[in-house]
Parts: sequence; structure tokens; C-alpha cells
Amino acid sequence: GDSVTQTEGLVTLTEGLPVMLNCTYQSTYSPFLFWYVQHLNEAPKLLLKSFTDNKRPEHQGFHATLHKSSSSFHLQKSSAQLSDSALYYCALSDHQGGRALIFGTGTTVSVSP
Amino acid sequence: EAAVTQSPRNKVTVTGGNVTLSCRQTNSHNYMYWYRQDTGHGLRLIHYSYGAGNLQIGDVPDGYKATRTTQEDFFLLLELASPSQTSLYFCASSDMGGLEQYFGPGTRLTVL
Repeated sequence: GDSVTQTEGLVTLTEGLPVMLNCTYQSTYSPFLFWYVQHLNEAPKLLLKSFTDNKRPEHQGFHATLHKSSSSFHLQKSSAQLSDSALYYCALSDHQGGRALIFGTGTTVSVSP
Repeated sequence: EAAVTQSPRNKVTVTGGNVTLSCRQTNSHNYMYWYRQDTGHGLRLIHYSYGAGNLQIGDVPDGYKATRTTQEDFFLLLELASPSQTSLYFCASSDMGGLEQYFGPGTRLTVL
């Protein structure tokens, strides 16, 4: 079945350094991919999503590129901010059957001064 | 932006207790979902629905029932609560299945 893998459980880094969170997937179809962010004591909310027109999605300085050849949708930011400390989920939708998104296990990012 | 509310926000019960978690969305979305969130497991789908009266089984349904009474309201029922069901529960909605979801603020449930 379809699945999403996030290999890092915790990423710690210093403010100003680049961030990259890994996301790989398995899907029978050609899926949409999403990144959700959840700050402490808040609900998850959409950060960005893949598009079909090959434009690279960007939001709040984050960007991700869907690479079908490697089944990946890694999240990147050139310079981390303290406010980026949060839990990040990668998720996929295969558009089939109208079911829910499939979420990875999440990566916690901790940014220190 | 979609508005999803949940009640109660916090709930403590005892083993064997009966608990109902409520979710309401006010943006006429067709799909509603119940997830539980646990450290190391991420978000796991319990049940979901694509309309009033409809119920679909998710990935971790054991011990949970759900009912969608209207387009707006989706309930999660734990009829014999167990400590393993201590978790943070999120409700979400989306206009179509498999598209971006909007989450409620969550209900923290503790089963003693």
C-alpha cells in the first residue's frame, strides 16, 4: 500500500543555518504531496503542497520539489528561524477512492539561537 | 479558511468509561476525519466520512466508533475506554477526499 517515510525524528540546528527535512513515498499512482507544520499546542496546518504544473511550491521561506524519479518531496529552507521550531509532517494523496491523506511519522525541528 | 471546532478540549475518564468527542465544521466540507496523535507514531487515521450517515474505517479503528449526523457534525465514541486510548485527538475536514485538510484544535483525552 501507499506509504510516507520521514527518516529523521528530531532535527536540531542553530538559527541561520539551512534546513532540509527528508520525505520519501511509495504510491501506486502519481500522488500529490503535502507538508504540514504543527507548532507547540496548535493544530497541524498546511505549509505547502506539490502542483502538477511543475512549479516549485514555496511558503514562508520553505520550498519543496517533487522528484518522481526518486519518489521524494524534501522540505528545504535556506536560513532557519527560531519560529521554525515545530513538528513537520509529510503527507500524500493518491487521488483514488477519496480517502484520507497518508501521513509520515513527523520530524521535530528545534532551532536554537 | 475552514473553521473546525472540537469539544471538549480536555477530558479525563477512567478505564471502562464512556466518552464522546465532538467535532463541527462550518465550511460545508464533504469529508471529515478523526485522527489520534502519539509521539513516534504521528497522525493515525481512526475513521472518516464523506457525508451525513456515511462512515469509513481508517487505519486504527479498534475500540472506536464514529457517527456523522449532519454535514457539519462528526462524533467519535469510546464506549469502553482503555489507558491505551490516552492520546491527542484531532478532527479535520476537507472539501474533497485526498485534498488539503483543515484541522481542529484537538482534544486531549486521558484514561486513568
